[in-house]
Amino acid sequence: KAGVTQTPRYLIKTRGQQVTLSCSPISGHRSVSWYQQTPGQGLQFLFEYFSETQRNKGNFPGRFSGRQFSNSRSEMNVSTLELGDSALYLCASSYLSGGRDTQYFGPGTRLTVL
Amino acid sequence: SQQGEEDPQALSIQEGENATMNCSYKTSINNLQWYRQNSGRGLVHLILIRSNEREKHSGRLRVTLDTSKKSSSLLITASRAADTASYFCATDVPYNTDKLIFGTGTRLQVFP
Repeated sequence: KAGVTQTPRYLIKTRGQQVTLSCSPISGHRSVSWYQQTPGQGLQFLFEYFSETQRNKGNFPGRFSGRQFSNSRSEMNVSTLELGDSALYLCASSYLSGGRDTQYFGPGTRLTVL
Repeated sequence: SQQGEEDPQALSIQEGENATMNCSYKTSINNLQWYRQNSGRGLVHLILIRSNEREKHSGRLRVTLDTSKKSSSLLITASRAADTASYFCATDVPYNTDKLIFGTGTRLQVFP
């Protein structure tokens, strides 16, 4: 099976812009979770989508949003970018929802906000 | 705040030595998972141990779980330079809609 893919791998944006990141899960997986990783805050849970519904949400402002399509592919969007949004954004897919199952991670999207 | 705290934050050893990393967490869990991350890349799942299990093995990896102390340890035996990575524990917290919460990580450096 193909692994989790994320596009793009690298992004450079300026403050105030918006960005959309994409994640394609492993075939057959219905859950996609998103995480933000920074040196200061570590790995922070953003949200989880399961069968096109947002099941969980972390403590992030409303500028961070996401969605999941019928083929389980997911996108996350960050509007009005701030310098502090610079991070590695990781998505992970699993068959079961939540933390009950092994998460398979993609390589991440490195976002730099200037 | 983080659910899991790994200890030590950083560990340096020689090839062939054993590496032990510890994870402490704050609340009851359904399961605890260990992941490895090579520099700036995605995470790779290592082991999942359920709350009713005490020990699990996978190759050179041994994980223990003590729910009374709310702690887990990951032992890597006969380490190799390729084991150099960051290691994270992650907990499935049952009454927080089952989301996976990651710890702060241990940075392991194995010198050849």
